[in-house]
This record gives sequence, structure tokens and C-alpha cells, in this order.
Amino acid sequence: DIQLTQSPPSLSASLGDRVTISCRTSQSIRNYLNWYQQKAGEAPKLLIYAATTLQGGVPPRFSGAGSGTEFTLTISSLQPEDFATYYCQHSYDVPRTFGQGTRVDIK
Amino acid sequence: QVQIQQSGPELVKPSQTLSLACDISGDIVSDISSAWTWIRQSPSRGLEWLGRTFYRSKWHHEYAASVEGRLIIDSDTSKNRVSLQMTSVTLEDTAIYYCARERPGRGLSWYFDLWGRGTLVTVSS
Repeated sequence: DIQLTQSPPSLSASLGDRVTISCRTSQSIRNYLNWYQQKAGEAPKLLIYAATTLQGGVPPRFSGAGSGTEFTLTISSLQPEDFATYYCQHSYDVPRTFGQGTRVDIK
Repeated sequence: QVQIQQSGPELVKPSQTLSLACDISGDIVSDISSAWTWIRQSPSRGLEWLGRTFYRSKWHHEYAASVEGRLIIDSDTSKNRVSLQMTSVTLEDTAIYYCARERPGRGLSWYFDLWGRGTLVTVSS
């Protein structure tokens, strides 16, 4: 199974900050990497797919980059509704696997 | 608007069978551009892909090794429903269970674009 390692596990940031979350995979997955946002009590919500493509309706302050084994999710200017946990997930093969999550909270 | 409605018991006794249903509206369970997946989430295991079913001329089923042999994911086209049956449950199977639709993006890049609200299943005697 492909392992996904996210860093950092958690971070504290202020409104307006630029935030970057990393996801490293145990083998190359080309660009088959997705990012999700999950708020307490809710299901994950798709933000970015194919490493860089923004899902419809997602604000452009979210962006994704990377290919191969190294990927990043960036929030250019943190807004109140962005405080949540973020997960990466690959779709290179089965089983699909997820990172362990990065919790973003208020400094 | 596509919606997923999950149903099933929230309390299951150890060694018994967990059964959950995922009723789909606004999409067709046999749509060849979709795969229907069960994912669970627990503090100890995080988000865990359990398996999926999809239709490509015939029905296909794929399962995670961790649950293979205990898990059946099936479809009922007459009810437009996907179901999960997990046998011989233990305390380790306590989790939030999600039904999700997986769709293809560019090339082989698939993603989970639609999720049910989740069912918190507790295994306890």
C-alpha cells in the first residue's frame, strides 16, 4: 500500500496568513493526489484533485502543487472558515489511502 | 442535485454483522463513470478506504486487505442503493462509516466528490 505522510500534524496560524501543508508519498504517484478539508462533525470535502485542479466552488485562495512523491496544499490568506483538518489522498491504485491529517487552528 | 442518504444501526454487538445502506438520488448506481466506496474514520486508524463497487459491463468489487473476507459491498439497482456488510465485528471496527462517490478527473486521477453524512457505528456488548 502507498503511504502518505503529511507535515506538520498541526499548525497555528492567524487570519490572513499564508499556510502550506506538505504530503509525501512512499512511491511516485504521478499527479494522482487529492486534498480534502474536514470540519468537526462533517464529512471531508474535496478541495483539489489531480494535484493542482481546484474543485468547482472552492475559493481560489486554495492551490495545490507537486508531482511524483512531493505535494503541497497552500492557503494564500487564511480565512475564519478555513480552520479545519486537511487530508491528502492518492488515487494511483487500490487501496486508496489518506494522509493522517493536518489540523489548522487559530493562533 | 446528487445526494447520498446513509442508514443503518449505530450499535452492533461484537461478533455480529454490521449492515449499512447508502441510498443515492440524482445519480444512477450503475453509471459507468462512478465508483461507490465505503470509507471509515476512527481516531486510531484515521481515514481508511474499505472497498468499492462499480459497473463496467459487469459489477466489480475491490476490498482493502485489512477487511477482505469480512466485507461485502453490494449494489441494488432497483433501489439505487449500495450496501455494506461486515461480519464478525470487533471493538476495532468502531468508527464513522462514510459512503462516497468516486469520479474520474483527468487521465487516471479519480477523486471522492460526494460523501454521505456518515454513520457513527459503535461496537459494544
